[in-house]
Amino acid sequence: GAVVSQHPSRVICKSGTSVKIECRSLDFQATTMFWYRQFPKKSLMLMATSNEGSKATYEQGVEKDKFLINHASLTLSTLTVTSAHPEDSSFYICSGARSGYGYTFGSGTRLTVV
Amino acid sequence: GENVEQHPSTLSVQEGDSAVIKCTYSDSASNYFPWYKQELGKGPQLIIDIRSNVGEKKDQRIAVTLNKTAKHFSLHITETQPEDSAVYFCAATWMEGAQKLVFGQGTRLTINP
Repeated sequence: GAVVSQHPSRVICKSGTSVKIECRSLDFQATTMFWYRQFPKKSLMLMATSNEGSKATYEQGVEKDKFLINHASLTLSTLTVTSAHPEDSSFYICSGARSGYGYTFGSGTRLTVV
Repeated sequence: GENVEQHPSTLSVQEGDSAVIKCTYSDSASNYFPWYKQELGKGPQLIIDIRSNVGEKKDQRIAVTLNKTAKHFSLHITETQPEDSAVYFCAATWMEGAQKLVFGQGTRLTINP
């Protein structure tokens, strides 16, 4: 089946630094990539939707300058958390999708900002 | 916009018994309804999905039913096993793969040996 590889699985960074999370669709072309944030014991919260070659569409309340999303190819999308602060600590998950073929989720990235 | 409500939030069943999780949705245009299983520290994994042109779908111990008129769908797990313990999410969307999924709040299922 379809696989989305997400890296890193865990990252610890210092406050003020930037962190990049990568998602690669290994055996399909993801025309759309969705990025989620998940708080403990909560549901997935959509942050942004990106289509290959286009600017990402951010959900209300999500700072686009803080969470930079790039979807330069049909197999790679990245989320960069800029100037990270402790409140950005969370579980981030990507999901690759292609019209009519469902959604495949990455394994998630646990970000801890110290 | 679409809103998905999921119940119960926690469910505890004895091993071997059945578990049922229910979701309701608000947008009658929604036509794709997946169910995901999420284990601690991992991403959601699709366990079964249903499209609006069918009312029921089964895959071994797992089944999903859809009532379009009432706008609700349910996940049924039979002969539960300890490895079924996880958080389960329902979701809905009106354009599979192209539009965002709207998730329910999740159900923490615990299977007691």
